[in-house]
Amino acid sequence: DAGVTQSPTHLIKTRGQQVTLRCSPISGHKSVSWYQQVLGQGPQFIFQYYEKEERGRGNFPDRFSARQFPNYSSELNVNALLLGDSALYLCASSNRGAGSHNEQFFGPGTRLTVL
Amino acid sequence: GNSVTQMEGPVTLSEEAFLTINCTYTATGYPSLFWYVQYPGEGLQLLLKATKADDKGSNKGFEATYRKETTSFHLEKGSVQVSDSAVYFCALTDDYKLSFGAGTTVTVRA
Repeated sequence: DAGVTQSPTHLIKTRGQQVTLRCSPISGHKSVSWYQQVLGQGPQFIFQYYEKEERGRGNFPDRFSARQFPNYSSELNVNALLLGDSALYLCASSNRGAGSHNEQFFGPGTRLTVL
Repeated sequence: GNSVTQMEGPVTLSEEAFLTINCTYTATGYPSLFWYVQYPGEGLQLLLKATKADDKGSNKGFEATYRKETTSFHLEKGSVQVSDSAVYFCALTDDYKLSFGAGTTVTVRA
C-alpha cells in the first residue's frame, strides 16, 4: 500500500507570494495533520482535519489555512509568504481524529524556500 | 501546555557503542509517548511508542520505557551501527496533535 504522499517535493517562492501544498493520506485514513519543521528544530503542529472538519489548530497566524476534500486529501495554503516560512512541511495521516493512542504516519515532506 | 525536552546533540559514537538519548516531558493527563527517527532527506518514521506508564516500546534494537514517576522516556540501544545515523525526536500526543522535542542528531562512525 502507498504511504502518505506529498507534492511538490521542493518549492521556491518569493516574499509576499502564496503557496499551496498537497497531501494524500494512506488509503482508509480519514485524518490529516500538517506540521512545520524549521531547519534544526522539531516539527510544530499547524492543523488537524478529520472527516473534512478542522479539529485542531496550532499557534500559527491566519496566513495559514487548510482544507480537506471528500477523498480525505488535503491542501495547506500559506499567503503573504515571509522568509521565516521557509521550512519542511510535513503531512501526517491517521485512521482516527482523536485519542491519545492515535499513531500518525508521515509523508516525505515539501521543502519550501522563501527568497 | 504539554512539552518535551530532549538532550541536545550532536552525538557522535563509534560503531557498537551504547547509545542513550534522554527525554523528559511535561503533560496533563496520560499522554502516549513516541520516538520518531528522521534519516537524511526523508520524513519522519515512527521508531517505537508506549501508551501507558511502565510500558516498554522496542524496535530495531532500540528500547524506551515510559516512566511516569520521573516523567521520562529515554531511548537506548546497546550496539549502534552506521545505519543508525539520523535525527531522533521524542514526542507526546495529547489527543489530536504531536508535540516534539528539538531533536538529537546522532552520527555513528565505522
